[in-house]
Amino acid sequence: QSALTQPRSVSGSPGQSVTISCTGTSSDVGVYNYVSWYQQHPGKAPKYMIYDVNKRPSGVPDRFSGSKSGNTASLTISGLQAEDEADYYCCSYAGSLYVFGTGTKVTVL
Amino acid sequence: QVQLVESGGGLVKPGGSLRLSCAASGFTFSDYYMSWIRQAPGKGLEWVSYISGSSITVKYADSVKGRFTISRDNAKNSLYLQINSLRAEDTAVYYCARVRFCCDFDIWGQGTMVTVSS
Repeated sequence: QSALTQPRSVSGSPGQSVTISCTGTSSDVGVYNYVSWYQQHPGKAPKYMIYDVNKRPSGVPDRFSGSKSGNTASLTISGLQAEDEADYYCCSYAGSLYVFGTGTKVTVL
Repeated sequence: QVQLVESGGGLVKPGGSLRLSCAASGFTFSDYYMSWIRQAPGKGLEWVSYISGSSITVKYADSVKGRFTISRDNAKNSLYLQINSLRAEDTAVYYCARVRFCCDFDIWGQGTMVTVSS
Protein backbone atom coordinates (compact mmCIF):
# COMPACT_ATOMS: atom_id res chain seq x y z
CA GLN A 1 0.00 0.00 0.00
CA SER A 2 1.59 3.28 -1.08
CA ALA A 3 1.53 6.40 1.04
CA LEU A 4 -1.16 8.96 0.32
CA THR A 5 0.15 11.97 -1.62
CA GLN A 6 0.29 15.38 0.05
CA PRO A 7 2.02 18.58 -1.07
CA ARG A 8 5.38 18.99 0.59
CA SER A 9 4.56 22.47 1.88
CA VAL A 10 1.93 25.19 1.93
CA SER A 11 2.10 28.67 3.39
CA GLY A 12 -0.12 31.58 4.23
CA SER A 13 -0.23 34.82 6.16
CA PRO A 14 -2.00 35.13 9.51
CA GLY A 15 -5.75 35.28 8.98
CA GLN A 16 -5.63 33.64 5.57
CA SER A 17 -6.88 30.16 4.67
CA VAL A 18 -4.78 27.26 3.44
CA THR A 19 -5.88 23.90 2.10
CA ILE A 20 -3.88 20.69 2.15
CA SER A 21 -4.79 17.92 -0.27
CA CYS A 22 -4.41 14.20 0.36
CA THR A 23 -4.69 11.96 -2.69
CA GLY A 24 -5.19 8.23 -2.41
CA THR A 25 -6.84 5.54 -4.48
CA SER A 26 -10.10 3.67 -4.85
CA SER A 27 -8.77 1.20 -2.26
CA ASP A 28 -8.47 3.73 0.56
CA VAL A 29 -9.62 7.37 0.44
CA GLY A 30 -12.01 6.73 -2.43
CA VAL A 31 -13.92 3.92 -0.77
CA TYR A 32 -13.84 4.66 2.98
CA ASN A 33 -15.13 7.74 4.79
CA TYR A 34 -12.46 7.16 7.42
CA VAL A 35 -9.96 9.89 6.64
CA SER A 36 -8.28 11.49 9.63
CA TRP A 37 -5.79 14.34 10.01
CA TYR A 38 -2.98 14.86 12.53
CA GLN A 39 -0.97 17.94 13.48
CA GLN A 40 2.61 17.49 14.60
CA HIS A 41 4.83 20.17 16.05
CA PRO A 42 8.62 19.56 16.02
CA GLY A 43 9.66 16.99 18.58
CA LYS A 44 6.10 16.30 19.65
CA ALA A 45 3.63 13.45 19.17
CA PRO A 46 0.93 13.81 16.53
CA LYS A 47 -2.35 15.38 17.62
CA TYR A 48 -5.76 14.17 16.44
CA MET A 49 -7.43 17.00 14.48
CA ILE A 50 -10.10 15.55 12.15
CA TYR A 51 -11.79 12.14 11.89
CA ASP A 52 -14.39 10.55 9.61
CA VAL A 53 -13.40 13.05 6.87
CA ASN A 54 -14.95 16.12 8.48
CA LYS A 55 -15.55 15.66 12.22
CA ARG A 56 -13.57 17.53 14.87
CA PRO A 57 -12.68 16.00 18.24
CA SER A 58 -13.54 18.01 21.30
CA GLY A 59 -11.12 20.90 21.80
CA VAL A 60 -10.05 21.30 18.18
CA PRO A 61 -10.83 24.82 16.92
CA ASP A 62 -13.52 25.12 14.26
CA ARG A 63 -10.92 26.82 12.07
CA PHE A 64 -9.97 23.30 11.05
CA SER A 65 -12.28 21.54 8.61
CA GLY A 66 -12.13 18.48 6.40
CA SER A 67 -13.73 17.33 3.19
CA LYS A 68 -13.44 14.65 0.54
CA SER A 69 -14.14 14.29 -3.15
CA GLY A 70 -13.44 11.04 -4.93
CA ASN A 71 -9.94 9.82 -4.09
CA THR A 72 -8.83 13.16 -2.61
CA ALA A 73 -9.40 14.43 0.91
CA SER A 74 -8.61 17.97 2.05
CA LEU A 75 -7.88 19.82 5.26
CA THR A 76 -8.60 23.54 5.37
CA ILE A 77 -7.27 25.86 8.04
CA SER A 78 -9.21 29.13 8.09
CA GLY A 79 -8.00 32.22 9.89
CA LEU A 80 -4.43 30.92 10.03
CA GLN A 81 -2.63 31.52 13.33
CA ALA A 82 1.04 31.37 14.27
CA GLU A 83 0.50 28.23 16.36
CA ASP A 84 -0.86 26.40 13.29
CA GLU A 85 2.68 26.22 11.88
CA ALA A 86 3.38 22.48 11.99
CA ASP A 87 3.46 19.30 9.93
CA TYR A 88 0.12 17.78 8.97
CA TYR A 89 -0.55 14.18 8.03
CA CYS A 90 -3.66 12.58 6.60
CA CYS A 91 -4.50 8.94 7.20
CA SER A 92 -7.01 6.61 5.62
CA TYR A 93 -8.40 3.30 6.75
CA ALA A 94 -7.87 0.82 3.91
CA GLY A 95 -9.73 -2.25 5.07
CA SER A 96 -7.70 -3.93 7.87
CA LEU A 97 -4.73 -1.62 7.44
CA TYR A 98 -3.98 2.08 7.55
CA VAL A 99 -2.17 4.38 5.15
CA PHE A 100 -0.66 7.72 6.11
CA GLY A 101 0.04 10.65 3.86
CA THR A 102 3.51 11.91 3.00
CA GLY A 103 3.04 14.96 5.22
CA THR A 104 2.74 18.69 4.59
CA LYS A 105 4.63 21.48 6.32
CA VAL A 106 2.42 24.50 6.94
CA THR A 107 4.34 27.76 7.28
CA VAL A 108 2.76 30.91 8.65
CA LEU A 109 4.43 33.85 6.92
CA GLN B 1 -6.59 11.56 32.38
CA VAL B 2 -6.25 9.38 29.33
CA GLN B 3 -2.57 8.67 28.78
CA LEU B 4 -0.18 6.38 26.94
CA VAL B 5 3.48 6.14 27.97
CA GLU B 6 6.00 4.20 25.86
CA SER B 7 9.30 2.81 27.05
CA GLY B 8 11.96 0.34 25.99
CA GLY B 9 13.66 2.15 23.15
CA GLY B 10 17.41 2.41 22.78
CA LEU B 11 20.49 1.75 20.68
CA VAL B 12 20.73 -1.77 19.25
CA LYS B 13 23.03 -3.41 16.72
CA PRO B 14 21.73 -4.67 13.36
CA GLY B 15 20.19 -8.10 13.80
CA GLY B 16 19.39 -7.42 17.43
CA SER B 17 16.09 -7.39 19.29
CA LEU B 18 14.15 -5.02 21.50
CA ARG B 19 10.82 -5.07 23.33
CA LEU B 20 8.84 -1.86 23.47
CA SER B 21 6.14 -1.28 26.08
CA CYS B 22 3.21 1.12 26.30
CA ALA B 23 1.43 1.73 29.61
CA ALA B 24 -2.16 2.90 29.31
CA SER B 25 -4.21 4.75 31.90
CA GLY B 26 -7.47 6.68 32.19
CA PHE B 27 -9.64 4.38 30.04
CA THR B 28 -10.83 0.78 29.88
CA PHE B 29 -7.84 -0.63 28.02
CA SER B 30 -9.42 -3.95 27.07
CA ASP B 31 -12.23 -2.18 25.19
CA TYR B 32 -9.92 -0.80 22.54
CA TYR B 33 -7.85 -1.91 19.61
CA MET B 34 -4.32 -0.56 20.00
CA SER B 35 -1.67 0.20 17.41
CA TRP B 36 2.01 0.98 16.89
CA ILE B 37 3.03 3.70 14.47
CA ARG B 38 6.60 4.75 13.71
CA GLN B 39 8.39 7.77 12.29
CA ALA B 40 11.91 7.61 10.92
CA PRO B 41 14.06 10.72 11.53
CA GLY B 42 12.87 13.53 9.29
CA LYS B 43 10.28 11.29 7.65
CA GLY B 44 6.53 10.72 7.77
CA LEU B 45 4.34 8.48 9.85
CA GLU B 46 4.10 4.77 9.06
CA TRP B 47 1.50 2.46 10.54
CA VAL B 48 3.20 -0.71 11.88
CA SER B 49 0.67 -2.99 13.58
CA TYR B 50 -2.59 -3.26 15.50
CA ILE B 51 -4.17 -5.68 17.95
CA SER B 52 -7.78 -6.14 19.04
CA GLY B 53 -8.90 -5.80 22.64
CA SER B 54 -9.06 -9.56 23.07
CA SER B 55 -5.77 -10.14 21.17
CA ILE B 56 -7.64 -12.34 18.68
CA THR B 57 -7.01 -10.02 15.75
CA VAL B 58 -3.55 -8.76 14.86
CA LYS B 59 -2.28 -7.17 11.68
CA TYR B 60 1.12 -5.98 10.47
CA ALA B 61 2.46 -3.74 7.75
CA ASP B 62 4.29 -5.71 5.06
CA SER B 63 7.54 -3.94 5.98
CA VAL B 64 7.64 -5.60 9.43
CA LYS B 65 5.72 -8.83 8.92
CA GLY B 66 7.60 -11.81 10.30
CA ARG B 67 10.00 -9.68 12.38
CA PHE B 68 7.67 -7.74 14.71
CA THR B 69 5.14 -9.19 17.15
CA ILE B 70 2.45 -7.13 18.85
CA SER B 71 0.87 -8.29 22.10
CA ARG B 72 -0.98 -6.92 25.10
CA ASP B 73 -1.68 -7.71 28.75
CA ASN B 74 -5.07 -6.30 29.68
CA ALA B 75 -4.52 -7.08 33.38
CA LYS B 76 -1.52 -4.75 33.29
CA ASN B 77 -3.06 -2.21 30.88
CA SER B 78 -0.01 -2.66 28.71
CA LEU B 79 0.78 -2.97 25.00
CA TYR B 80 4.00 -4.47 23.67
CA LEU B 81 6.00 -4.67 20.46
CA GLN B 82 8.71 -7.29 20.13
CA ILE B 83 11.04 -6.28 17.34
CA ASN B 84 13.57 -8.81 16.03
CA SER B 85 16.15 -8.92 13.25
CA LEU B 86 16.49 -5.17 13.44
CA ARG B 87 17.69 -3.25 10.39
CA ALA B 88 18.98 0.29 9.97
CA GLU B 89 15.69 1.23 8.33
CA ASP B 90 13.84 0.36 11.54
CA THR B 91 15.45 3.38 13.19
CA ALA B 92 12.51 5.54 14.21
CA VAL B 93 10.41 6.97 17.00
CA TYR B 94 7.79 4.35 17.85
CA TYR B 95 4.42 5.63 19.03
CA CYS B 96 1.63 3.61 20.58
CA ALA B 97 -1.86 4.87 19.81
CA ARG B 98 -5.42 4.03 20.75
CA VAL B 99 -7.63 3.07 17.82
CA ARG B 100 -11.00 4.82 17.72
CA PHE B 101 -13.80 2.58 16.46
CA CYS B 102 -11.96 0.95 13.55
CA CYS B 103 -10.46 3.63 11.83
CA ASP B 104 -8.15 6.27 13.28
CA PHE B 105 -5.91 7.08 16.23
CA ASP B 106 -7.33 9.37 18.89
CA ILE B 107 -4.75 9.09 21.67
CA TRP B 108 -0.97 8.97 21.17
CA GLY B 109 1.93 8.41 23.48
CA GLN B 110 5.03 10.59 23.46
CA GLY B 111 7.05 7.97 21.59
CA THR B 112 10.21 5.96 22.26
CA MET B 113 13.28 6.16 20.04
CA VAL B 114 14.82 3.04 18.53
CA THR B 115 18.23 3.44 16.88
CA VAL B 116 19.74 0.56 14.91
CA SER B 117 23.45 1.07 14.37
CA SER B 118 26.70 -0.82 14.70
